[in-house]
Amino acid sequence: DAMVIQNPRYQVTQFGKPVTLSCSQTLNHNVMYWYQQKSSQAPKLLFHYYDKDFNNEADTPDNFQSRRPNTSFCFLDIRSPGLGDAAMYLCATSRATTDQETQYFGPGTRLLVL
Amino acid sequence: AQSVSQHNHHVILSEAASLELGCNYSYGGTVNLFWYVQYPGQHLQLLLKYFSGDPLVKGIKGFEAEFIKSKFSFNLRKPSVQWSDTAEYFCALRAGGFKTIFGAGTRLFVKA
Repeated sequence: DAMVIQNPRYQVTQFGKPVTLSCSQTLNHNVMYWYQQKSSQAPKLLFHYYDKDFNNEADTPDNFQSRRPNTSFCFLDIRSPGLGDAAMYLCATSRATTDQETQYFGPGTRLLVL
Repeated sequence: AQSVSQHNHHVILSEAASLELGCNYSYGGTVNLFWYVQYPGQHLQLLLKYFSGDPLVKGIKGFEAEFIKSKFSFNLRKPSVQWSDTAEYFCALRAGGFKTIFGAGTRLFVKA
């Protein structure tokens, strides 16, 4: 089945130690998104890629970076995780034909910062 | 500023009860509105969406939502809930381009 896959499902890192979360998709969608969702809060868009074009949200901290080496894969890099970065990180994809396109979400990676 | 408000954070219903989850938004442009659902242990998935035309939108599993422009609302309804509807429900607004703004979610628990 076509899907969005996130690895790992759970990630534990130490304060200040760089961490990378990965997302892959078999839907061949040209838009990929990263969201941060803290407990009992709304998913918050960090950035998205439209093909190779990177689009950062204005309030996304510089600590968060992303890479998209090809259509199928997208990575979220947290350069120096702080305790406040503990959250669920959601990857999503969509086609870019119109604004009406549905987003397809992965299961998320829960990040714990010690 | 664009925003989405979901008024109920937790809702508990018995099976066969009717459901209405409130969603209000703040946005000055043309709206694209969504309801997503997350069942326990599963990923977020689309329940229904509104872009234009008939303000009453029907989705999967018997859910529907009504867009009321004058009230800036997009409430989700189901006439008779089932135990399997236990999930978290998110209202979302497409705020131009690729940015989607989500509400904080409503956790629904249906008692068997």
